[in-house]
Amino acid sequence: DADVTQTPRNRITKTGKRIMLECSQTKGHDRMYWYRQDPGLGLRLIYYSFDVKDINKGEISDGYSVSRQAQAKFSLSLESAIPNQTALYFCATSETGQGGLQPQHFGDGTRLSIL
Amino acid sequence: AQSVTQLGSHVSVSEGALVLLRCNYSSSVPPYLFWYVQYPNQGLQLLLKYTSAATLVKGINGFEAEFKKSETSFHLTKPSAHMSDAAEYFCAVSETMKGFQKLVFGTGTRLLVSP
Repeated sequence: DADVTQTPRNRITKTGKRIMLECSQTKGHDRMYWYRQDPGLGLRLIYYSFDVKDINKGEISDGYSVSRQAQAKFSLSLESAIPNQTALYFCATSETGQGGLQPQHFGDGTRLSIL
Repeated sequence: AQSVTQLGSHVSVSEGALVLLRCNYSSSVPPYLFWYVQYPNQGLQLLLKYTSAATLVKGINGFEAEFKKSETSFHLTKPSAHMSDAAEYFCAVSETMKGFQKLVFGTGTRLLVSP
């Protein structure tokens, strides 16, 4: 089983719909992240969480919200989806440790298309 | 703020040829640098990381990267390409803010390997 699991893997929906992407991990890491990947832009950080009670905005949080339901679960919501949120979304985790040294572990991604 | 530039969105090599993927960084402090690989329909996997212990870093699958402070570079190399190396490669620099490790990714380089 994958250490970082994202569901669904693919989703097609319509403009204005509310969507939730889910992420669960079995690595026991405290830190979790949501990124989006767009062709030619690399990965950009949407939200990150140090632990269940600590959630922070990343560089592109507008139009998104998150919930850290438990140490192992971190979900991303689009309250009212718009076409320019069509992208590949990744969840990642990392250990708490000396800043900068801990690599991040990624799920396989959710491909989201908004029509 | 830290940034990363990857030269060349696509690099094509023949099987058995040298692989060279370029990465230059901008950082006001000694950086932590990473290379990740993304195979089709998968998340990112860590190839190697530089944490100032040694300038030549060896990673998985025969890849290595050399940190050159004078050139602000962290190029990825492999002596002999295999077909299985075809993937997208991302260079990233770690930026620490309030004890949080934020990864700043380059835009990626797609490696194409021909027989």
